[in-house]
Amino acid sequence: AQSVTQLDSHVSVSEGTPVLLRCNYSSSYSPSLFWYVQHPNKGLQLLLKYTSAATLVKGINGFEAEFKKSETSFHLTKPSAHMSDAAEYFCVVSDRAGGSQGNLIFGKGTKLSVKP
Amino acid sequence: DTEVTQTPKHLVMGMTNKKSLKCEQHMGHRAMYWYKQKAKKPPELMFVYSYEKLSINESVPSRFSPECPNSSLLNLHLHALQPEDSALYLCASSPDALAGGRSYNEQFFGPGTRLTVL
Repeated sequence: AQSVTQLDSHVSVSEGTPVLLRCNYSSSYSPSLFWYVQHPNKGLQLLLKYTSAATLVKGINGFEAEFKKSETSFHLTKPSAHMSDAAEYFCVVSDRAGGSQGNLIFGKGTKLSVKP
Repeated sequence: DTEVTQTPKHLVMGMTNKKSLKCEQHMGHRAMYWYKQKAKKPPELMFVYSYEKLSINESVPSRFSPECPNSSLLNLHLHALQPEDSALYLCASSPDALAGGRSYNEQFFGPGTRLTVL
């Protein structure tokens, strides 16, 4: 069965400092993994995706994530936070095979706050 | 055109009203989705349309009625809603659809309709 755990419900950083949002997953088969961002009262925007190619994935707005199979992790990082990064972030997993193939499972979300 | 559009942005309705939400995409995507999102929660899947046919209904009450008139358009008809149905309703699409309507590729989301039921 698939599951996603976002290890922090709230992360607060200062502008210009690094961002780390943690995500662990479980999947019976090779997963697709995604990070989405949602600004207040907006829809979800895809930041980046992993679909079994390179394990280090670069996304939009300077974000990147590394797929670590041995640790079942897909943490999201950014070297330097900007005020506009303040938002809710969702880690999402989807099995690429098996009975639950294609079923998107959302984490509970991590709220990122950025202090001036 | 690389976006999903939704109208209206906001909707306030009484429990006896009938209203509709509209979603449109012109990316040639073959799967379209309705999600419901309550405050501070992740989206919850409601319906999936695959090649214009309803393929997944996640046990949604019949007061929500989806419709897919063509490959670019998805509607959600609302009737006799309850105050607890107040939420952000998100539409999404994905390029392909597996048998059964799901896709392991990314979904593209619209901005949502903020629904308030009085």
